[in-house]
Amino acid sequence: EVQLVQSGAEVKKPGESLKISCKGSGYRFSSDWVGWVRQMPGKGLEWMGIIYPGDSDTRYSPSFQGQVTISADKSISTAYLQWSSLKASDTAMYYCAKHDSSWRIDDWGQGTLVTVSS
Amino acid sequence: EIVLTQSPGTLSLSPGERATLSCRASQSVSNNYLSWYQQKPGQAPRLLIYAASSRATGIPDRFSGSGSGTDFTLTISRLEPEDFAVYFCQQYGSSPLTFGGGTKVEIK
Repeated sequence: EVQLVQSGAEVKKPGESLKISCKGSGYRFSSDWVGWVRQMPGKGLEWMGIIYPGDSDTRYSPSFQGQVTISADKSISTAYLQWSSLKASDTAMYYCAKHDSSWRIDDWGQGTLVTVSS
Repeated sequence: EIVLTQSPGTLSLSPGERATLSCRASQSVSNNYLSWYQQKPGQAPRLLIYAASSRATGIPDRFSGSGSGTDFTLTISRLEPEDFAVYFCQQYGSSPLTFGGGTKVEIK
């Protein structure tokens, strides 16, 4: 069974850095893309970007390019999403999602709630 | 970037009724790579339909998808109590992947 298990909720102050994680199991982690999706409170879904853990090929949505960094460590089957300087507007639920070779999303993590408040 | 417009924003129906949800793309979706997801409060989205009309594993056959090019439809033939939720369409035919704004199916 495919599972994506994300790290726990975070409460941070503006300007702080943060790295959240997503650990995959039940499939060959290095052979499928893993992406991140943002959902702001009460809003819809926004695709942020994607990484291929096998060679770390990474693509970003233009809306998120330069705002976040996506990375992966295939040795521990874990993908990451990080911020160098959080803003209040980064407050959201963040989901990791497994994408197949056609970039169809076929599995989701449980979500990580990030709250940024002074 | 492909913009997906879902309509209506909210659909008020009774259990047993038929639901028809629309998703229109600003340009043709390559290979008809369009998915539909269901999301309930406090839960991650769940894949219902991919490639416009293929049901995901374990999805009941009351859910069906149709359409091609720029116009796509999700139909729920007879609403069950557990079907009241928000539904999103998403295209994965070109980067960046994009989602529609969602349709909320609520109990009338």
